[in-house]
Amino acid sequence: DAGVIQSPRHEVTEMGQEVTLRCKPISGHDYLFWYRQTMMRGLELLIYFNNNVPIDDSGMPEDRFSAKMPNASFSTLKIQPSEPRDSAVYFCASSPRGGPVYYEQYFGPGTRLTVT
Amino acid sequence: AQSVTQPDIHITVSEGASLELRCNYSYGATPYLFWYVQSPGQGLQLLLKYFSGDTLVQGIKGFEAEFKRSQSSFNLRKPSVHWSDAAEYFCAVAPISGGSYIPTFGRGTSLIVHP
Repeated sequence: DAGVIQSPRHEVTEMGQEVTLRCKPISGHDYLFWYRQTMMRGLELLIYFNNNVPIDDSGMPEDRFSAKMPNASFSTLKIQPSEPRDSAVYFCASSPRGGPVYYEQYFGPGTRLTVT
Repeated sequence: AQSVTQPDIHITVSEGASLELRCNYSYGATPYLFWYVQSPGQGLQLLLKYFSGDTLVQGIKGFEAEFKRSQSSFNLRKPSVHWSDAAEYFCAVAPISGGSYIPTFGRGTSLIVHP
């Protein structure tokens, strides 16, 4: 398997622009997670999905952030409008279903977002 | 709610020396415990995990971790560090019950390896 795929790997945009980050989870995994990593706050869970349904979005910083999972093989994280404080590395991770194995997360390589 | 503390932000060791990275957790019961490694520019990769049974857990890349219930700790160890082990290491805990099984990650420990 190719693992979790994220695109783009790097994104530089200007303040106020819309940014869309993409993720393809590992086939057969039922859970998908979006994380944000910064020096100041470490690794933060933004939102996670189970079977394409958002379960907990309490980590989404504000209404400028939205996430969707239209099918089992694709998810997006959108920021509109973007701000410089959104600059971070965004990770997507997926987990298989059931039992303790569920807790093992497989991370993508991340998208480094820079908002100027 | 569970929490994870990694007391050391940075650890510097010489290549070939032994390593121990500390992790303490706060939780009402024994949680599930994990160590992940993040190499520069990469995502996190699972090193090892503890669910139950033997408190000494073997992982990939020669790492091991020991769960000590009395100390609420899950320290990561390696007997001889290689230069390629330089990376960021994250401890994580996940509750066994309660409906939300989402792991909480520590802030990470950056490992620097001197030749």
